[in-house]
Amino acid sequence: NAGVTQTPKFQVLKTGQSMTLQCAQDMNHNSMYWYRQDPGMGLRLIYYSASEGTTDKGEVPNGYNVSRLNKREFSLRLESAAPSQTSVYFCASSLAGGEYEQYFGPGTRLTVT
Amino acid sequence: GENVEQHPSTLSVQEGDSAVIKCTYSDSASNYFPWYKQELGKGPQLIIDIRSNVGEKKDQRIAVTLNKTAKHFSLHITETQPEDSAVYFCAASSRGNNRLAFGKGNQVVVIP
Repeated sequence: NAGVTQTPKFQVLKTGQSMTLQCAQDMNHNSMYWYRQDPGMGLRLIYYSASEGTTDKGEVPNGYNVSRLNKREFSLRLESAAPSQTSVYFCASSLAGGEYEQYFGPGTRLTVT
Repeated sequence: GENVEQHPSTLSVQEGDSAVIKCTYSDSASNYFPWYKQELGKGPQLIIDIRSNVGEKKDQRIAVTLNKTAKHFSLHITETQPEDSAVYFCAASSRGNNRLAFGKGNQVVVIP
């Protein structure tokens, strides 16, 4: 089992460019999450998908969109990147919601210039 | 929503000593309290968790205690080793809640 995989590992964007971060899990989990991590700010939830076919906003959804493509895959899209979106992005999955262990991917380090 | 706070933000300990990190939470309905460890350049990983029907849980050198009345829970690491150096996050969730509320993290540095 690969667990949670994320692509790409690193990305540099110019302001205004768009990109999609990909996430996939092979554990047959129902719930998937996107977080961003900034120094001193901990893990902040951007969007989550409690189950296939549903998505909900987290704490910091502005500037992002998500797609739960199927049970395995949950992508995060930046339509018009801004320097404030420079961060490390983590995807996570859990069997069924907040009371279950979340498994995190290795992260994507994004720089917007 | 739930608000989780962690103290202290940075903790330095001598190798072999104990480390304690404390978290407070605001929602009395919270019933699940996990701790995650994040090593440099990696994603967080669950190390121990506790549910509200239990006051303490141990796993080798780590333990978690929960005080529901005071709404705080703590991570205890005994006989610290250099590989314990990492960022530790506490979190909380309640039954039926699809998300975890994370604290901001504690940097633990074990000095050889």
